[in-house]
Amino acid sequence: SQQGEEDPQALSIQEGENATMNCSYKTSINNLQWYRQNSGRGLVHLILIRSNEREKHSGRLRVTLDTSKKSSSLLITASRAADTASYFCATALPGSNYKLTFGKGTLLTVNP
Amino acid sequence: DGGITQSPKYLFRKEGQNVTLSCEQNLNHDAMYWYRQDPGQGLRLIYYSQIVNDFQKGDIAEGYSVSREKKESFPLTVTSAQKNPTAFYLCASSGGGEQETQYFGPGTRLLVL
Repeated sequence: SQQGEEDPQALSIQEGENATMNCSYKTSINNLQWYRQNSGRGLVHLILIRSNEREKHSGRLRVTLDTSKKSSSLLITASRAADTASYFCATALPGSNYKLTFGKGTLLTVNP
Repeated sequence: DGGITQSPKYLFRKEGQNVTLSCEQNLNHDAMYWYRQDPGQGLRLIYYSQIVNDFQKGDIAEGYSVSREKKESFPLTVTSAQKNPTAFYLCASSGGGEQETQYFGPGTRLLVL
């Protein structure tokens, strides 16, 4: 089974609204990463948060990590139509930085 | 122009045929990876290589083989033993060690005739 599971599976919002996606995982991690994938393309790294961090920001992105609940959230503020994509969380287990385990993703649609 | 290239973009395989997917990177990264993505699914790790001339099986290695003779190249062969090869294949690389961010190529879509 997947280490990370995103929720919701699909999200549709209007331009300008905020989008929140969640990721839950099962075992202790070294870090958690969020990636974006446009349809039929490769993945693009968005942000990495380590197990000893609680929150990180990058532009319009805000990621939180709650290791006690084994969950993370990705917030995209002031969304744009160009943010339409699938978003994946990926976890790296302690001692295995080379191996990432990906969730099934959240498909975000931002309507103009 | 640095990055990861994959070729071809589309590949067709006949029954009983082995096919090889190419992955090249000019990022000077030590580690390289192959993932398989099925529709509506996340990525599953097929093989990864931390350094030249060394590679390890991922979660779904059966029916696949790899080589890592050069730092820049990590080709994936889908053998006839892989009974359900139709998928989107993604190659990635990372700096290794504490550089955990992975950089992805554009992918190869493999279809069975």
